[in-house]
Amino acid sequence: QTVVTQEPSLTVSPGGTVTLTCASSTGAVTSDSYPNWFQQKPGQAPRTLIYSTSNKPSWTPARFSGSLLGGKAALTLSGVQPEDEADYYCLLSSGGARVFGGGTKLTVL
Amino acid sequence: EVQLVESGGGLVKPGESLGLSCTASGFTFTNAWMTWVRQAPGKGLEWVGRIKSKTDGGTTDYAAPVKGRFTISRDDSKNTLYLQMNSLKTEDTAVYYCAGSNYWGQGTLVTVSS
Repeated sequence: QTVVTQEPSLTVSPGGTVTLTCASSTGAVTSDSYPNWFQQKPGQAPRTLIYSTSNKPSWTPARFSGSLLGGKAALTLSGVQPEDEADYYCLLSSGGARVFGGGTKLTVL
Repeated sequence: EVQLVESGGGLVKPGESLGLSCTASGFTFTNAWMTWVRQAPGKGLEWVGRIKSKTDGGTTDYAAPVKGRFTISRDDSKNTLYLQMNSLKTEDTAVYYCAGSNYWGQGTLVTVSS
């Protein structure tokens, strides 16, 4: 079974830039893995930020961007806001199934 | 306004069955690939399974821990997604979310305990 790995935690200053990554145990993440990114705040349901590597639903702020970086999927936040403090999860395709990463707890401090 | 509303959660004993529903509105349910995701208390998200749209074959895929015990189905005439869970285990305790077309429901709690 594919294991998807994310940084357990990251800290960023308000206004700064941070990149979260998502790696697959089976090798390089490509667009064929259809990377998705989700944000979840305490006590709330997740919400979709990025789908299919870099596409954004209408509600995703422009400061969020998705890409492929060094064989991993990446989520970059530019100009971080205090309200971006949350857990972030990536999701990769693995054959017919999908697998979530363990999540990254982003602290804005 | 898009809404996904899960229902059917509750407390069951190990080995019992439970069925969840997710009623969708505000988007074209018929065209959506729908997914169930769960989250155990204090843990991360876990992909449970997915059903494709009928036009894409209507096939299902499941995560290994639930394959053979859980069944996902859909009724496009009712804009409703289902999750039938059999032979429940304590480790199936979680909030169950439905998702589709990038939208998520608020979840329903399933507790499996003797």
